[in-house]
Amino acid sequence: DAGITQSPRHKVTETGTPVTLRCHQTENHRYMYWYRQDPGHGLRLIHYSYGVKDTDKGEVSDGYSVSRSKTEDFLLTLESATSSQTSVYFCAISDRGDRVRNTGELFFGEGSRLTVL
Amino acid sequence: QKEVEQDPGPLSVPEGAIVSLNCTYSNSAFQYFMWYRQYSRKGPELLMYTYSSGNKEDGRFTAQVDKSSKYISLFIRDSQPSDSATYLCAVNDYKLSFGAGTTVTVRA
Repeated sequence: DAGITQSPRHKVTETGTPVTLRCHQTENHRYMYWYRQDPGHGLRLIHYSYGVKDTDKGEVSDGYSVSRSKTEDFLLTLESATSSQTSVYFCAISDRGDRVRNTGELFFGEGSRLTVL
Repeated sequence: QKEVEQDPGPLSVPEGAIVSLNCTYSNSAFQYFMWYRQYSRKGPELLMYTYSSGNKEDGRFTAQVDKSSKYISLFIRDSQPSDSATYLCAVNDYKLSFGAGTTVTVRA
C-alpha cells in the first residue's frame, strides 16, 4: 500500500468551527490532491498541489483552503464548517499528475469522515 | 454536463454471475479510461485502465471502450463475494474526472 496517512479519520464538529484535515505521505510524490466523496456525486476535486507551496483550485473549492509547506504534508482547512461540508474526504497522491494525458493513477488514503452538526 | 456519467446501481448478483458496469462520457477527446475499485470504508484503487478504443483483459476483469458511442464498460466474470465493492469509472484528458460509482454486492 502507498504510504498515505490521513488524520483524523473521523471527526464530528459544529457549524462555524474551523477544521483541519491532514494528509501525510512517505512516497515523495510531487502531486497531492484533496477530494470529497458524496453519494450521487462520486469523487470531486477540492484542491490539488503540484509542489511545495504550489496549489490550485479544483471544481468544488469554495469554503476550503489548503497549504503545503513540505513535500510530505498537505493540509485541508475548512475555515468555518457548514453542514454541506459533511462528507468523506480523501487525500490522493501521484508522481505524474493528472494534468497530462496519462493513465491518471492516483493512490488514495483511507479517508476522513467529517460530520458537521 | 458531467464529463462522465455512471449507472448508479446498486447491483446485487449471485456468486458466479457476470457483472456488467457501464459509463458514458461526453468529450470525444478522452484517450485514457480507468476503472477504480473501492472497498467499504477504504480509498479507491486503480483496477484497470484502457488507452483509446478496444478491450483489455486482466484475469476475470475485462474493460471495454467504444469511442463511437462514448461508452465504457467493465465486465467481471465468475464474480466472487470478494468482488463486492463500489466501482468508479474515470476519464483523463488533462484532468481526471470520476463517475459517481456503482456499488456491487455479490451474494454467496
